[in-house]
Amino acid sequence: DIRMTQSPSSLSASVGDRVTITCRAGQTIGSFLNWYQQKPGKAPKLLIYAASSLQGGVSSRFSGSGSETDFTLTISSLQPEDYATYYCQQSYSTPLTFGGGTKVEIK
Amino acid sequence: QEQLVESGGALVKPGGSLRLSCAASGFTFSDFYMSWIRQAPGKGLEWLSYVSSDGHTTLYADSVQGRFTMSRDNAKNSLSLEMNSLRGDDTAIYYCARNRVNDAFDVWGQGTRVTVSS
Repeated sequence: DIRMTQSPSSLSASVGDRVTITCRAGQTIGSFLNWYQQKPGKAPKLLIYAASSLQGGVSSRFSGSGSETDFTLTISSLQPEDYATYYCQQSYSTPLTFGGGTKVEIK
Repeated sequence: QEQLVESGGALVKPGGSLRLSCAASGFTFSDFYMSWIRQAPGKGLEWLSYVSSDGHTTLYADSVQGRFTMSRDNAKNSLSLEMNSLRGDDTAIYYCARNRVNDAFDVWGQGTRVTVSS
């Protein structure tokens, strides 16, 4: 199984801050990396697929980068509605696996 | 709009069985692979299984292999997850989700809660 490790596990940031979340894969996965946002009591929402492609309807302040083992999700200017938990997920091989999550909290 | 609605979650005793359902609407269901994903209380996401668009191929995570069975009925736009030999660590919210072509999950249901407890 491919282990996905996210860092940090939580962070505090202010509205307007640039936020960066990192995801590391336990083996090379090319660009088979996806990012999700989950708010309390809600289902996850796909933000980024294939490492850097923005899902339709998602704000352009979200961006993804990276390849092989190291990936980054960036929120260019944090907005109140962005406070949530973010997960990465590899789709390179089964079992499909998720990172442990990064909780973004209000500073 | 594209929508998935799960049902069937309940409180069940250890060793018991349960069948979850997922109804799809707003898209051509038979075009897509579908998955079940769960989230234990306060924990992260765990992919459990997927079924191919024609229903002929299924794949399971080791944690549920041999206990859970996923199937679909394309004529009824529905998905199911038959769960047997349930254990306390199966307690979770269970989501059905649509697989994009690269196995990202682009449409999710609202989830259905399964609690395994005596």
